[in-house]
Amino acid sequence: GNSVTQMEGPVTLSEEAFLTINCTYTATGYPSLFWYVQYPGEGLQLLLKATKADDKGSNKGFEATYRKETTSFHLEKGSVQVSDSAVYFCALGQGGSEKLVFGKGTKLTVNP
Amino acid sequence: GAVVSQHPSRVICKSGTSVKIECRSLDFQATTMFWYRQFPKKSLMLMATSNEGSKATYEQGVEKDKFLINHASLTLSTLTVTSAHPEDSSFYICSAYWNEQFFGPGTRLTVL
Repeated sequence: GNSVTQMEGPVTLSEEAFLTINCTYTATGYPSLFWYVQYPGEGLQLLLKATKADDKGSNKGFEATYRKETTSFHLEKGSVQVSDSAVYFCALGQGGSEKLVFGKGTKLTVNP
Repeated sequence: GAVVSQHPSRVICKSGTSVKIECRSLDFQATTMFWYRQFPKKSLMLMATSNEGSKATYEQGVEKDKFLINHASLTLSTLTVTSAHPEDSSFYICSAYWNEQFFGPGTRLTVL
């Protein structure tokens, strides 16, 4: 079945450091790929998505590229801020209503 | 943006009682809503897909008689945990689909 594997945290960085959170997936067909972010005390929010191979999703300085050859969708940001501290979830979706399968989440803490 | 609310945000109940959790899409209509359960340090696990006006579709291993889902309108879905036990204690999250999934803030259930 479909599954998502993402690097387990927690990840602790200093402000302005480079961030990479790895995500790989297993799926039949051609899923859509997502990164969601959950800030403390809040619900999940869509951060970015890509719907086909080689697409790059980007938002708020974060980027991820849909790599079919490596079945990956790694999240990157060139310079993190304290406000980026949150839990990040990689997910894949298939079907018309985008039924989602999530990775376990990676907690990121950015220190000033 | 689209907003999804959940009520209550926290609930504590005694073992053997039933608890109802509401999920509402506040500014859009959702024909499909999803219910997830989030375990500590683990992924969100999809419990069921709720379609307005029809029976919910449960994921494998989820007891449909224990987790009753009712999607009575295009803006409201409810999850009722019947005869709750301490092992049902968890964080329950709903989402509503409108071109993408919009997530509620979650409900923390504690069963004593």
